[in-house]
Amino acid sequence: RKEVEQDPGPFNVPEGATVAFNCTYSNSASQSFFWYRQDCRKEPKLLMSVYSSGNEDGRFTAQLNRASQYISLLIRDSKLSDSATYLCVVKIAKAAGNKLTFGGGTRVLVKP
Amino acid sequence: GAGVSQSPSNKVTEKGKDVELRCDPISGHTALYWYRQSLGQGLEFLIYFQGNSAPDKSGLPSDRFSAERTGGSVSTLTIQRTQQEDSAVYLCASGTGWGDSNEKLFFGSGTQLSVL
Repeated sequence: RKEVEQDPGPFNVPEGATVAFNCTYSNSASQSFFWYRQDCRKEPKLLMSVYSSGNEDGRFTAQLNRASQYISLLIRDSKLSDSATYLCVVKIAKAAGNKLTFGGGTRVLVKP
Repeated sequence: GAGVSQSPSNKVTEKGKDVELRCDPISGHTALYWYRQSLGQGLEFLIYFQGNSAPDKSGLPSDRFSAERTGGSVSTLTIQRTQQEDSAVYLCASGTGWGDSNEKLFFGSGTQLSVL
C-alpha cells in the first residue's frame, strides 16, 4: 500500500461548480498535511496547509480526519484557472528531520 | 536569487553516460529534497538533506544514484551509467527544516533528463 494515495481523476468540473476530493495516508504518525498545486509542466507550489480544525482560504477548504486518516480539499465556485493537478503531502518528523511524502495527485479540469 | 535554482533545465544524454544535476536552494533553508517525476506520474522521493545530519537516502532507486550537499547549500545529484528509465524531471526543493512544524517546500523548475 502506498503511503499517500489519491484518486488520479480527472475530475471534470463545470465552471462555477463545487468539487471535492480526498487523500488517504497510511502512517498514523503523520503530523502535518499540505495541499500543493501543480500546473502542467510546472513545479509544484504550496496551495495551503491543512489544520486539525479545518481551514479555508478563499474558495478552498481543507479538512483533516485523523480517525480515518484522510484529508480533503474542496473548491467552491470553480474557475477555469483552477485546472491543475492537486498534490497531497504528508509530513512525518524523524530524528534526522522531516520526511514529506507526496501523493500521486488528483487532476482537476474546469470547463466552461 | 529569491527562489530555488536548478541547472541545467534540460539535459539530453546517451545511455551509459554519467550526468550531474545541480540545485541551489533558497538562502538560509536547512532542508533540501530531491524528487523525480515521470510524465503523468506523481513525485517520487529520492533523497533528503537536513543541516549537517546524515542524509535520508531511502528513496534512491539504485547505487547508480548519489547526491551531495556541500557547505549546507548547493546540492548535486549524480546519476552514473544512465539508463533510459532514468528519463524524468528531477525536482529539487528547499525548506525551513525540521524545526519548523509548518515546514513548506519551495521547488525549483526542475531538470528534464532525457536518456537516449
